[in-house]
Amino acid sequence: QKEVEQNSGPLSVPEGAIASLNCTYSDRGSQSFFWYRQYSGKSPELIMSIYSNGDKEDGRFTAQLNKASQYVSLLIRDSQPSDSATYLCALGYGQNFVFGPGTRLSVLP
Amino acid sequence: DTEVTQTPKHLVMGMTNKKSLKCEQHMGHRAMYWYKQKAKKPPELMFVYSYEKLSINESVPSRFSPECPNSSLLNLHLHALQPEDSALYLCASSHKTTSGGAMYEQYFGPGTRLTVT
Repeated sequence: QKEVEQNSGPLSVPEGAIASLNCTYSDRGSQSFFWYRQYSGKSPELIMSIYSNGDKEDGRFTAQLNKASQYVSLLIRDSQPSDSATYLCALGYGQNFVFGPGTRLSVLP
Repeated sequence: DTEVTQTPKHLVMGMTNKKSLKCEQHMGHRAMYWYKQKAKKPPELMFVYSYEKLSINESVPSRFSPECPNSSLLNLHLHALQPEDSALYLCASSHKTTSGGAMYEQYFGPGTRLTVT
């Protein structure tokens, strides 16, 4: 059983702050990690993928992967109210995709 | 253009009906997926098609029947569903499934919200 864990939140941050979202997983063999954003009533939208240890930056988003500690995180800099959504961590193994339960982020104006 | 389309957007069906969900992508992707998402839960993988062949069926009941007529289209045929099957059904596609053990990014369509009465 592949497990992906996330703090369900809600995580509240003020506008302009850094939001930090964390995800841990149980399968040491996982090689592919993804962050998706899902607004209420909408489908998941890919934010970023990360495959190697270290940091990967894309605009205001930075993904961090530490395979030895089995965690992956997402930092959102200069958070905006429009970033308020559920953030889903996903890992891929074989041809399977497993999502974590998601963390609800609320950015307060 | 990372666009996956799904029809219909909403579907209400009785337990004795037969209906189909459709998904289309024109990105040249060779892998397509069906997911089911219940309220306040993450998406759950149902089926994986790779090069138009079913490669994964996650123990889904036979009342759900997938079909991949060609590399751009994916259908999900529904028959004799139960009220607990009401959910958001999501289609996704990716370039391929895997390369060197790593999975490709998946892009999701807007989903079909299904209500079984």
